[in-house]
Amino acid sequence: GENVEQHPSTLSVQEGDSAVIKCTYSDSASNYFPWYKQELGKRPQLIIDIRSNVGEKKDQRIAVTLNKTAKHFSLHITETQPEDSAVYFCAASSGAGGTSYGKLTFGQGTILTVHP
Amino acid sequence: DADVTQTPRNRITKTGKRIMLECSQTKGHDRMYWYRQDPGLGLRLIYYSFDVKDINKGEISDGYSVSRQAQAKFSLSLESAIPNQTALYFCATSMRGTDTQYFGPGTRLTVL
Repeated sequence: GENVEQHPSTLSVQEGDSAVIKCTYSDSASNYFPWYKQELGKRPQLIIDIRSNVGEKKDQRIAVTLNKTAKHFSLHITETQPEDSAVYFCAASSGAGGTSYGKLTFGQGTILTVHP
Repeated sequence: DADVTQTPRNRITKTGKRIMLECSQTKGHDRMYWYRQDPGLGLRLIYYSFDVKDINKGEISDGYSVSRQAQAKFSLSLESAIPNQTALYFCATSMRGTDTQYFGPGTRLTVL
């Protein structure tokens, strides 16, 4: 089955700096890569996702890049703010279309702390 | 707003007790999932269901069972709880043909 490794496990940055979280996956059939943000005591919420036919996707201060050959993808947060402090999870899936099961395999999570 | 809800939100129980965690959704989604979250281990899939008649084991199903009572309801049971089942449990839903999963608020379970 799929295996997703996420690094680093903790990341501390100053407000305004950039933060990068990296994930690797093992199953070459995976084609959907979401990122979830989980604030303290809250449920995980999708913040951005990318599919294997795209190399990069941006949404305001966050971006995700995908390297299919190397089987890794990364989350980039620019101009970090204290409210970006949370746990971030990457995940991989073979997609939900057609007869595919669409199961998500999650990374271990990264605790991001943004200091004012 | 359409949502995913879980009951109870917190539960403390003793070793050997039978426990049921419930999940309901008003999103109209056909797919439902149960995950377990432990510190440093991320979210691990316990069971998933793609419709009322379809139940599948996930990565860590031992010690757990599920019931899909209706399209909107998916329950997780621990037949005989043990301390290493202490964790945060999340239910999630998605719609066939889409990939985004929507999570419930979670149930914090402590087994003494």
